[in-house]
Amino acid sequence: GESVGLHLPTLSVQEGDNSIINCAYSNSASDYFIWYKQESGKGPQFIIDIRSNMDKRQGQRVTVLLNKTVKHLSLQIAATQPGDSAVYFCAENSNAGGTSYGKLTFGQGTILTVHP
Amino acid sequence: DVKVTQSSRYLVKRTGEKVFLECVQDMDHENMFWYRQDPGLGLRLIYFSYDVKMKEKGDIPEGYSVSREKKERFSLILESASTNQTSMYLCASRGTPSYEQYFGPGTRLTVT
Repeated sequence: GESVGLHLPTLSVQEGDNSIINCAYSNSASDYFIWYKQESGKGPQFIIDIRSNMDKRQGQRVTVLLNKTVKHLSLQIAATQPGDSAVYFCAENSNAGGTSYGKLTFGQGTILTVHP
Repeated sequence: DVKVTQSSRYLVKRTGEKVFLECVQDMDHENMFWYRQDPGLGLRLIYFSYDVKMKEKGDIPEGYSVSREKKERFSLILESASTNQTSMYLCASRGTPSYEQYFGPGTRLTVT
């Protein structure tokens, strides 16, 4: 029989463009956020993280922005390359109660496709 | 570099079989996690362990159990596999005090 699944958000860009991937998080008590990249057939790989006491953090070609007022997180990738094509996940850690053991809650993911 | 390995990349099992998925990490991490990943649903936590012989249920523990007899090894057990357990299974580890989790390559399990 035919199955119907949820569709991931997608972003399609040209090589060299800047990419912005957005994520809304749910828990105002979350104190840590992380972005992962998952290429086809591989496990998620760490890209960049940010703590709730920061608004912005930069890495190599990537920047994460955190807006706690509207519970929004974004990942900016500068000069996007074909090798950046992957699924990108945001994740949050909610340390409410102090015994979360570092559990992360993941978003559904966004598919980024970079065209040469 | 942290290395997390999983015993199989692909696995095909029959309904009702007992299935063992093994995960090993080489960084002496205290915390280990099992997730399943399904299209459009992201990663969902099945079980995690914060020390040897210690375990906690995640968000979707039904139909699964785990074992952590040694610090480096965390096993996921499907007591009686069912078709709705067909999925990608990902193992991760984390060292204190970092929140970053390191993932293995995943095991794609098909239950027929």
